Amino acid sequence: DAKTTQPNSMESNEEEPVHLPCNHSTISGTDYIHWYRQLPSQGPEYVIHGLTSNVNNRMASLAIAEDRKSSTLILHRATLRDAAVYYCILRDNTNAGKSTFGDGTTLTVKP
Amino acid sequence: GAGVSQSPSNKVTEKGKDVELRCDPISGHTALYWYRQSLGQGLEFLIYFQGNSAPDKSGLPSDRFSAERTGGSVSTLTIQRTQQEDSAVYLCASSSGPGADYGYTFGSGTRLTVV
Repeated sequence: DAKTTQPNSMESNEEEPVHLPCNHSTISGTDYIHWYRQLPSQGPEYVIHGLTSNVNNRMASLAIAEDRKSSTLILHRATLRDAAVYYCILRDNTNAGKSTFGDGTTLTVKP
Repeated sequence: GAGVSQSPSNKVTEKGKDVELRCDPISGHTALYWYRQSLGQGLEFLIYFQGNSAPDKSGLPSDRFSAERTGGSVSTLTIQRTQQEDSAVYLCASSSGPGADYGYTFGSGTRLTVV
């Protein structure tokens, strides 16, 4: 399975943008890049996903490098409710059952 | 329903007993997944259903673990002869299609404690 690498932790100030990086140097052409976040005692929540082009939705933006070996999740204005563990995963469209979740990035938002 | 529903939310069982964990996916979602998460760890894949069949059950840790899905809807994960290392949060997710261009919707999980 293609693996992803994320920093263990990041800090941000409230109402400032946050850029969460993810490296996936062994990505294959059929892998989609997905982001999820998990608050304590809850299941992960879908944030955004993409294949090659940058994506925007109401929660966040996803910037994908031209060679697809890295991506960045962008929260435009962090709020205290954005404090969570953020997971970047790859999902293979030819074998979409199994995904490998790493340890993610713990985002702390300071008021 | 509006989301993925899992029951029970908490289960404490004695070592050696069997347990059943239930997942009700979002209505119409054809794909269903089971993951487990040990304390402070990332998610570990267990099994994937497309409809009622399981094309990928490679993550089931041992033959004590089994899962089924009926009517393309509800799924049950059964753990026989539970061991302390089975203690974890068991998470179910569903998605509206079979491919990777669909996001997971997760339930809140079942916290299993084996004493």
